[in-house]
Order: sequence, then structure tokens, then C-alpha cells
Amino acid sequence: SQKIEQNSEALNIQEGKTATLTCNYTNYSPAYLQWYRQDPGRGPVFLLLIRENEKEKRKERLKVTFDTTLKQSLFHITASQPADSATYLCALDRVDSYDKVIFGPGTSLSVIP
Amino acid sequence: ETGVTQTPRHLVMGMTNKKSLKCEQHLGHNAMYWYKQSAKKPLELMFVYNFKEQTENNSVPSRFSPECPNSSHLFLHLHTLQPEDSALYLCASSERGGHRQFFGPGTRLTVL
Repeated sequence: SQKIEQNSEALNIQEGKTATLTCNYTNYSPAYLQWYRQDPGRGPVFLLLIRENEKEKRKERLKVTFDTTLKQSLFHITASQPADSATYLCALDRVDSYDKVIFGPGTSLSVIP
Repeated sequence: ETGVTQTPRHLVMGMTNKKSLKCEQHLGHNAMYWYKQSAKKPLELMFVYNFKEQTENNSVPSRFSPECPNSSHLFLHLHTLQPEDSALYLCASSERGGHRQFFGPGTRLTVL
């Protein structure tokens, strides 16, 4: 069956370090992969989208990679700050329609001052 | 502010009540979505509307009834809910397709 997995454990890192979050999927061939940020009690906020034919995308301190052979995306936050603390969700378009996006369970990131 | 508003922000209802959740987007988008987010579970897609036409009903129980009168407004009508329906209900919109969705702040629903 189709499955999306993200780091199951919460991630704690020191301020200034690079945070790396993982998104793995099985039984999908997504055309797009997205990353969102969600703060407690609020809706997710779109961060980045990467297409299947792109290997890497950057936006300010964020970098996303997409390896369709490994069926994995890595999400990096460089020079992390306490304000980066949140839950990060990856999302893939469904195999039967690009309109219907499936979200992963999310990874909780805490950046310690 | 994301350009997507939801009301009410909090709702407590009994199992026999009827209530409605409202979502409005000011972004000129053509697709709108309802999601359910329960504790420790991924976002669950409930309904999708493209150009006011429902294109997805993700095996949602009939006690949830969506309505999309125009491309800017989306409602979720609730009746005879169960305690397990307690969750954060999120509305989202996008230009077309599931990419770059803009989410509202959500309605925290508690069913007693």
C-alpha cells in the first residue's frame, strides 16, 4: 500500500547547526513533492515544491533534494534558529490525480538556543 | 494571514447538534479543500472542490456534508457527530491542483 514516512522521532538540534529532515515514500510515483511548516494549533504553511525531474531546490536557508530512485526527499535548514522550531510536513500528489495531495505524519523540530 | 479565513475558531457541540464550519479565501483560487487533523495522525483529505465542482469525497461519513456555493466560499455542515470526530478541521485553497496550498487557521472541534 502507499505510504509516506518521516523521521518518527522529534529532532532536537543546537542553534546554528543544519537540521536535516527525511521523507520516504513507497508505492508512489509522485510528480511533485512539497514541504510545509506547521506551528501548534495553526494551519500548515507552504515552503517549497520540487518536481520529479529536479534534484535540488533552494530558498534562502532551506534546501530540498528529491531522489526518485531512493524514493526519498531531504529537507535541510542551515544556520538553524529557535524560530525554526515547528513541525515540518512533506506532501506528495496522489498517483491517481495530482489534485489530491497526501501528507506525511510530520517531524517535530526543536532548535535549542 | 494567509488569505484563507475560517470560522468559528473553536466549536463545542453535542452529538445531536447541527453546526456548520465556514471557510473563505481571498486569493482568487479555484480549488478548495477540507482536511481533518487528529492528534498524532497525518492530515486527512476529506473533500476537494475544483471550480465549485466536488472532485473528491474521500470515503467521508455522511454526517459531514460539504457545500461550495462559489469559488471563494466553502462550508462543512455537521450533524449527529461522534466524539471521535473531535479534531482540527482545516480549509485550504490553491490556484488549481494540489500544489502550494494556502491553509486557514482551522476550527478546533470538540464533540461531547
